[in-house]
Amino acid sequence: ETGVTQSPTHLIKTRGQQVTLRCSSQSGHNTVSWYQQALGQGPQFIFQYYREEENGRGNFPPRFSGLQFPNYSSELNVNALELDDSALYLCASSPGLAGGQETQYFGPGTRLLVL
Amino acid sequence: AQKVTQAQTEISVVEKEDVTLDCVYETRDTTYYLFWYKQPPSGELVFLIRRNSFDEQNEISGRYSWNFQKSTSSFNFTITASQVVDSAVYFCALSERRDDKIIFGKGTRLHILP
Repeated sequence: ETGVTQSPTHLIKTRGQQVTLRCSSQSGHNTVSWYQQALGQGPQFIFQYYREEENGRGNFPPRFSGLQFPNYSSELNVNALELDDSALYLCASSPGLAGGQETQYFGPGTRLLVL
Repeated sequence: AQKVTQAQTEISVVEKEDVTLDCVYETRDTTYYLFWYKQPPSGELVFLIRRNSFDEQNEISGRYSWNFQKSTSSFNFTITASQVVDSAVYFCALSERRDDKIIFGKGTRLHILP
């Protein structure tokens, strides 16, 4: 158990809709990162938040956005869903400003299916 | 550019055999970190090990061992006396000191047959 939880576990949406995924980090972990894992692929970095500020972003369009709250919870929002957004979305937390210097601990993920 | 290559897509071995998962990485940074994660069918990524680029000492933890060789940019993972519960997808990953993200390989799906 990593102490990182995500909700919901599964979600089905239709193309064009918006979705919000939630993550609760370990207490005391100030950094949260979000990853997208397509079927049969490794996770791909979406973005990272440190103390409620975005601290790095991967090659994802602006319709992917996030929020981090003082209570160690965070959200991933995706607007105008596309079929290719179907994936497992993972959040990971670490104590400080991560970089590679700290290990990130992952939650169980949210499986999103876009029809 | 950062890159992690896991050439073995899928491996099947009989229980109690030893198995080695290969990982080759590319980076331009002199300080970097390497990871192995395990992903069982439940989907959660389970952290196994982290090594920094200055520590080439190989490590053994129970049935797991890791062989880090900077000269060949490899970070291989061996399971000794495999068990059915070891069946999962294993990911090798890389992070540079200057960066915030982890770059994952595509994973190796390991089947341990009873």
